[in-house]
Amino acid sequence: GAVVSQHPSRVICKSGTSVKIECRSLDFQATTMFWYRQFPKQSLMLMATSNEGSKATYEQGVEKDKFLINHASLTLSTLTVTSAHPEDSSFYICSARDRGPGETNEKLFFGSGTQLSVL
Amino acid sequence: AQTVTQSQPEMSVQEAETVTLSCTYDTSESNYYLFWYKQPPSRQMILVIRQEAYKQQNATENRFSVNFQKAAKSFSLKISDSQLGDTAMYFCAFMKLYSGAGSYQLTFGKGTKLSVIP
Repeated sequence: GAVVSQHPSRVICKSGTSVKIECRSLDFQATTMFWYRQFPKQSLMLMATSNEGSKATYEQGVEKDKFLINHASLTLSTLTVTSAHPEDSSFYICSARDRGPGETNEKLFFGSGTQLSVL
Repeated sequence: AQTVTQSQPEMSVQEAETVTLSCTYDTSESNYYLFWYKQPPSRQMILVIRQEAYKQQNATENRFSVNFQKAAKSFSLKISDSQLGDTAMYFCAFMKLYSGAGSYQLTFGKGTKLSVIP
């Protein structure tokens, strides 16, 4: 089956630094990728939708200047948390859309997530 | 906007027994998918089952089946012959299709924590 690779799986950084998280689709072309955030014991909240070659679309309340998303190729999207603060500590998950053959075969595959801890 | 409601924060089931997790949703869309995802302690999101709204037949995947009631906007998951490895958080999710902004995004419920007891 399709695989989405997300790195790093865990990162600890100092307050004020920037952290980049990569999301790669390994065996399919992902025209659309999504970035989610999950707080402990809570559900996944969509942060932004990333389309290859265009600007990301951010959900209401998500600061686009803090969470920079780049989707420069059909297999790679990156999320950069700029000037990270302790309140940015969370579990970040990407997913990639694999359209598959035909209109009725929409599938989303998830990366394994990144636990960000900002000290 | 779509909403997904899971009214059971936690459930438990004896190994080998059957359990049903509830999910209701609200939407004005006509083209959509519904999903159940499993998130074990590893936190990897794993697709359990998917239902296309235009299909009347309930989806099944081995021990997992759904009861999709479109008019009632209900989408419950039945797990038969529960196994210890089924212990996880289960999220119900909605995906809008082919409809401009917001298409293909997943809207998740708050999840149900399922514990399978030996």
